[in-house]
Amino acid sequence: QSALTQPPSASGSPGQSVTISCTGSSSDLGAYNFVSWYQQLPGKAPRLLIYEVNKRPSGVPDRFAGSRSGNTASLTVSGLQAEDEADYYCSSYADSNNLVFGGGTRVTVL
Amino acid sequence: QAQVVQSGPEVKKPGASVKVSCKASGYTFGNSGITWVRQAPGQGLEWVGWISVYNRNTKYADKFQGRVTMTADTSTSTAEMELRNLRPDDTAVYYCTRDRMVAATSKMDVWGQGTTVTVSS
Repeated sequence: QSALTQPPSASGSPGQSVTISCTGSSSDLGAYNFVSWYQQLPGKAPRLLIYEVNKRPSGVPDRFAGSRSGNTASLTVSGLQAEDEADYYCSSYADSNNLVFGGGTRVTVL
Repeated sequence: QAQVVQSGPEVKKPGASVKVSCKASGYTFGNSGITWVRQAPGQGLEWVGWISVYNRNTKYADKFQGRVTMTADTSTSTAEMELRNLRPDDTAVYYCTRDRMVAATSKMDVWGQGTTVTVSS
């Protein structure tokens, strides 16, 4: 299974919005609704932010929003805060009960 | 609250095997899946595989087929991953996560603290 494609970095000033893309194919992200996003703060375990394309677990602020168009999913972080500085990973169900991750995007708050 | 607590760090020689375990609490272990994810130093997340605690079905990533075995014990609320024939590039932090009862649907909402496995001669 090929990894999903994410930009290595993204940045924004406090209060601004930043959008991270995640590109897959018709065998994974484009075909199934099981797209998730995880946030990993430095030195910490990842945390689930978004599942099933655009659903937020309880406790995740509504500043985090997921969407998808075709074979590309996106995570938008609105009202950027210093504590949002982290690595973000997308993942998707892929054919035959496989799971693929993106390579990760490091978000810097300027 | 739901949590999983993993076993401690391991140092192994190439060719050896390692077992990493995690103990779940605060939720109904038998109604869940466990997904194992690893992260090599300075690298991204990599899916290792999944087990349904309910019926013990497993699904392993192709690159680990034949080298990995995942088990779950509802009597102790413990899951375990064994990786055999270790290579230096298996050096990574291995995470145990609570997931769904359906394979690879990626709702990993509870993560262990991670277990560092170092493979070196």
